[in-house]
Amino acid sequence: DVKVTQSSRYLVKRTGEKVFLECVQDMDHENMFWYRQDPGLGLRLIYFSYDVKMKEKGDIPEGYSVSREKKERFSLILESASTNQTSMYLCASSQTGEKRKPQHFGDGTRLSIL
Amino acid sequence: GQNIDQPTEMTATEGAIVQINCTYQTSGFNGLFWYQQHAGEAPTFLSYNVLDGLEEKGRFSSFLSRSKGYSYLLLKELQMKDSASYLCAVRFNDYKLSFGAGTTVTVRA
Repeated sequence: DVKVTQSSRYLVKRTGEKVFLECVQDMDHENMFWYRQDPGLGLRLIYFSYDVKMKEKGDIPEGYSVSREKKERFSLILESASTNQTSMYLCASSQTGEKRKPQHFGDGTRLSIL
Repeated sequence: GQNIDQPTEMTATEGAIVQINCTYQTSGFNGLFWYQQHAGEAPTFLSYNVLDGLEEKGRFSSFLSRSKGYSYLLLKELQMKDSASYLCAVRFNDYKLSFGAGTTVTVRA
């Protein structure tokens, strides 16, 4: 079974802090993704990566950056946290090549910015 | 992102059938996924369609019409544990997915 592990289930930070969300997958997947999930808006893609040190912007990258130094780990960084970044953050991974293979998700990090 | 439309909420009785519709723009279509998400948990994969027709997996079936930009997820013999959000996700051109807002299904005894 694919395992995608996010470092924290719940996190509370203050406005202006630099926040790191970590994600690790154990299936040697090439692709990794960061989403945020808000009521009524569904999952929105923040950033994704299709290889080590490679990254591409998703639909809502503003205020975020990412890092992928190792294949299994994909980090999301909030450079200066703001209250409108309070949300559920979901990490996912998928395999390149086999198109019917789905993305596999972690359990999510519920982040509150005070 | 692309517009993926699905109803916000549906309610049905235990043992009944519920059909969740999903519509999307057809340009660049390259596959459609359905996920189930229980409250506070990760989305889990249910089904994948890329060709027209019906894919059946036990009590769950998914249908696709590429020319109409339309899919549905059919849940049969509803059980209480089927109460969850159901997410329609479409891949356009590459391996990124665009998600609908999700349909919350409530199963009543």
